[in-house]
Amino acid sequence: KNEVEQSPQNLTAQEGEFITINCSYSVGISALHWLQQHPGGGIVSLFMLSSGKKKHGRLIATINIQEKHSSLHITASHPRDSAVYICAVRSQTTNAGKSTFGDGTTLTVKP
Amino acid sequence: GAGVSQSPSNKVTEKGKDVELRCDPISGHTALYWYRQSLGQGLEFLIYFQGNSAPDKSGLPSDRFSAERTGGSVSTLTIQRTQQEDSAVYLCASSLASGQGAYEQYFGPGTRLTVT
Repeated sequence: KNEVEQSPQNLTAQEGEFITINCSYSVGISALHWLQQHPGGGIVSLFMLSSGKKKHGRLIATINIQEKHSSLHITASHPRDSAVYICAVRSQTTNAGKSTFGDGTTLTVKP
Repeated sequence: GAGVSQSPSNKVTEKGKDVELRCDPISGHTALYWYRQSLGQGLEFLIYFQGNSAPDKSGLPSDRFSAERTGGSVSTLTIQRTQQEDSAVYLCASSLASGQGAYEQYFGPGTRLTVT
């Protein structure tokens, strides 16, 4: 079992739909990172959080430390949201700079 | 301001040759990270620097891989005697620091390495 599990692996939605991507992890963490990778490879940091909830535009990220679970929500999805979304965690016990990554969720939003 | 830059953007090399990949972090960022993404695979941690020190080299795949950082700024990832399985996109990121806490990482565009 990977330390970081994402679901679903692939997700297809219609424009306007509300989208949820999940990330579960098995270790105690100091921080969790949501990343977006567009076709062509560029990676953009969306959120870094260690507790609670953060919102930026149509994106919302939540984390439940007790349940070792985080969700990334996209409201009013748009075709330009099509990308791979990656969850990464920084363990409390390993060296502070090392992140462990999920395998990513490939999102396709159709017009 | 300028983001993280990497060079070259693409590198094709013959098996057995050595390659050097360069990363220029965001000015003022003390932490620098190297990752690898093989075709169709997820991100893989290689090494990170806090200042010029590399506290964790556990992700380096073999002793053919090494990295250094000088002056707390530019970093070079060197792969000696390249093998075809080294073909991947090598990504660099930087952050203000690397301590316990939520320090956001900013990624460079990557270097696509192809070993023929």
